[in-house]
Amino acid sequence: AQTVTQSQPEMSVQEAETVTLSCTYDTSESDYYLFWYKQPPSRQMILVIRQEAYKQQNATENRFSVNFQKAAKSFSLKISDSQLGDAAMYFCARSETGANNLFFGTGTRLTVIP
Amino acid sequence: DAGITQSPRHKVTETGTPVTLRCHQTENHRYMYWYRQDPGHGLRLIHYSYGVKDTDKGEVSDGYSVSRSKTEDFLLTLESATSSQTSVYFCAISDGASNEKLFFGSGTQLSVL
Repeated sequence: AQTVTQSQPEMSVQEAETVTLSCTYDTSESDYYLFWYKQPPSRQMILVIRQEAYKQQNATENRFSVNFQKAAKSFSLKISDSQLGDAAMYFCARSETGANNLFFGTGTRLTVIP
Repeated sequence: DAGITQSPRHKVTETGTPVTLRCHQTENHRYMYWYRQDPGHGLRLIHYSYGVKDTDKGEVSDGYSVSRSKTEDFLLTLESATSSQTSVYFCAISDGASNEKLFFGSGTQLSVL
């Protein structure tokens, strides 16, 4: 089965601190994409960051960065200087080149404490 | 936001009735998708379309059908709604086959009583 596992159903972080959300995945492919999506209470799915598996360099988008460990099939999201607006459900997802599906994890609910 | 509109935003219906959800895009993207979101499952693909009148099944397609008569519109139909189809339904679009970047609509909360 093609799975994406998020082992932390809930996480909390103090405002201005750093938090890391974990994600592991299963694939037999060598070329694929990894994503983190944010879903705030508005229900909108917002792309936070994307990583191409053939790129060694970890992706970064402002306060958001990933730690991509291809051999370990691990793709964690680090949020630095956490803000109240970061509170949301975060989904990790994986796709494969040429395929037409995006496999999602079950999500991690992040609470930001003022 | 990418130009994706889902309608209705909320719907309550009874078991056994047909239901159609609509997705409209203004981005002229080739690929359109229907996902459902359930607690403990994340999002799962129901059906997708890779062009006008070209559709294919996803991992949870039983009980659902789709149609795409125009590039901008993708309809999801529940022929006879069941309580197990109570869910939040998301439409998504992409301009590439590799799901390199999906843009999502705001979702439809469907309750089947």
